[in-house]
Amino acid sequence: EPEVTQTPSHQVTQMGQEVILRCVPISNHLYFYWYRQILGQKVEFLVSFYNNEISEKSEIFDDQFSVERPDGSNFTLKIRSTKLEDSAMYFCASRTSGYSYNEQFFGPGTRLTVL
Amino acid sequence: AQRVTQPEKLLSVFKGAPVELKCNYSYSGSPELFWYVQYSRQRLQLLLRHISRESIKGFTADLNKGETSFHLKKPFAQEEDSAMYYCALQGGSEKLVFGKGTKLTVNP
Repeated sequence: EPEVTQTPSHQVTQMGQEVILRCVPISNHLYFYWYRQILGQKVEFLVSFYNNEISEKSEIFDDQFSVERPDGSNFTLKIRSTKLEDSAMYFCASRTSGYSYNEQFFGPGTRLTVL
Repeated sequence: AQRVTQPEKLLSVFKGAPVELKCNYSYSGSPELFWYVQYSRQRLQLLLRHISRESIKGFTADLNKGETSFHLKKPFAQEEDSAMYYCALQGGSEKLVFGKGTKLTVNP
């Protein structure tokens, strides 16, 4: 069964450094998402992406964040200058086209630790 | 504002006992409600959604608009049901709004 994959599984970085989190969505999916979960807190929506554009973003998704689909398979989240409070589990998700309430399929997550 | 509340952080039951995981939501429109489950060391996966009105692994959930609730129920819990359960709402946009989750432990 096709799955969303994410790399790396764990990323450790120094405050102020740039990080890129990578995701490979399910191949026939057209809608892509990033969520994050700070330890002990809720899973929070960051951004949705469709047709090479951001379709929706949260207040968390400020100018330090960007997303890109550089080729036909990868979907990346870049944090330009990481802060301590960016430490979290980051989940990528994707879904098929059509009905917006179709299931979002989640990746296993990347744990980002900012020191 | 869209909000999902799961009042129980932890829930522990014995095998064969009924289980109910509570979920209340706040949304001014007509939301779509979901239950996601995360088994140990696995990814978040959809368990069931209101619109499908189906029973998955013996679990059911009924949307009560009057009480703004979407509680998850199973009449006879199994040990393999032990997991983290997240209630989520989707209302008029792409984003899922999650509750904090309930960790269910089913004891033998």
